[in-house]
Amino acid sequence: QTVVTQEPSLTVSPGGTVTLTCASSTGAVTSGYYPNWFQQKPGQAPRALIYSTSNKHSWTPARFSGSLLGGKAALTLSGVQPEDEAEYYCLLYYGGARVFGGGTKLTVL
Amino acid sequence: QVQLVQSGAEVKKPGASVKVSCKASGYTFTSYGISWVRQAPGQGLEWMGWISAYNGNTNYAQKLQGRVTMTTDTSTSTAYMELRSLRSDDTAVYYCARVGGYQLLRFDYWGQGTLVTVSS
Repeated sequence: QTVVTQEPSLTVSPGGTVTLTCASSTGAVTSGYYPNWFQQKPGQAPRALIYSTSNKHSWTPARFSGSLLGGKAALTLSGVQPEDEAEYYCLLYYGGARVFGGGTKLTVL
Repeated sequence: QVQLVQSGAEVKKPGASVKVSCKASGYTFTSYGISWVRQAPGQGLEWMGWISAYNGNTNYAQKLQGRVTMTTDTSTSTAYMELRSLRSDDTAVYYCARVGGYQLLRFDYWGQGTLVTVSS
């Protein structure tokens, strides 16, 4: 069974920079896994942030960026705002199936 | 503007079936697909599958094979997800999301979610 692993929790100070990662149990994550990233706040539906590794939607704030880093997919927030406190999920493509990571709870403190 | 509006909350008994709808507006329905994602209380997101609104092709998560069916009605721009033989661990919020691009891998707009409670 394929497992996608994210940091369970991270803490960042307002204005700081933080990188969330997304690893695959099958090996290095490449662009062929078409990583998507989502933000979810309590009681709300998820919101799409990034698709195909690094592409932003029209509503994605400029401070969010996606990349590949050390064999993982990565989401970097630069100049973190208090409203960025949320759960973040990645999604990877496995030749048909898609698998979500377990999520990272980001605290802005 | 693109909108996905889902049907209301459901309470079902174990062994029953549920059918959740997702009505799309603001775009050409057949140019995209719909993915279904669920979230059990206090848990993470689980991908359930997708359906192409263009040709009706589907791809379901292996663990749900045989219990789930996704369909579309292009005349009303509505997608449906039916889950059968419900168990207590199917209790979750069910979301639909629009997907597009290569292999329908680009998620963008999401529905508001539908709570399905399975309880005797």
